[in-house]
Amino acid sequence: DGGITQSPKYLFRKEGQNVTLSCEQNLNHDAMYWYRQDPGQGLRLIYYSQIVNDFQKGDIAEGYSVSREKKESFPLTVTSAQKNPTAFYLCATKGLTYEQYFGPGTRLTVT
Amino acid sequence: QKEVEQNSGPLSVPEGAIASLNCTYSDRVSQSFFWYRQYSGKSPELIMSIYSNGDKEDGRFTAQLNKASQYVSLLIRDSQPSDSATYLCAVNLYSGGSNYKLTFGKGTLLTVNP
Repeated sequence: DGGITQSPKYLFRKEGQNVTLSCEQNLNHDAMYWYRQDPGQGLRLIYYSQIVNDFQKGDIAEGYSVSREKKESFPLTVTSAQKNPTAFYLCATKGLTYEQYFGPGTRLTVT
Repeated sequence: QKEVEQNSGPLSVPEGAIASLNCTYSDRVSQSFFWYRQYSGKSPELIMSIYSNGDKEDGRFTAQLNKASQYVSLLIRDSQPSDSATYLCAVNLYSGGSNYKLTFGKGTLLTVNP
């Protein structure tokens, strides 16, 4: 079953804790992206990776970290330095064409 | 500031009507344009991509691109209640060197009334 998986679907954390969101794909796509979506706002790019062992900051990288040790996996860590971490987090991939495809998302709530 | 703009709506149409969703973008060199559909609480789903001026049809959906006017639209014919969702316009905007960044509008909420 091909596609993009994100886990968990819902995540609740206390303020001050780091949390890692998982993104896995078996589409053999080179590029992977992390976005966050807040109510009434467009998607904002956090980090992206075009190849294994390389990644670049997006527009709102502060308070986040990523790794890309395998082509299939691009986990995102939301650190305690992120001031407003509650959001819907979306992972996307892109293959040889220009289209990006999204995973189902993780809804993070920090209290 | 390079950006993508959409009317936030809500746009309300009766079942069976044509829904017209509009998007403008700021960058004349953009070459690729996309429409995503996002149901409430779900992730965006790619429904159309368009690269050349003119119309592209896929079932009940037609994307229209006018690069001179920096305008892209999505028409939904014979609208169904199941089309009720937020529609996101996305454009690959030039970001320097050989790089482009997919930039999203804030979306238009469409409601199709039975």
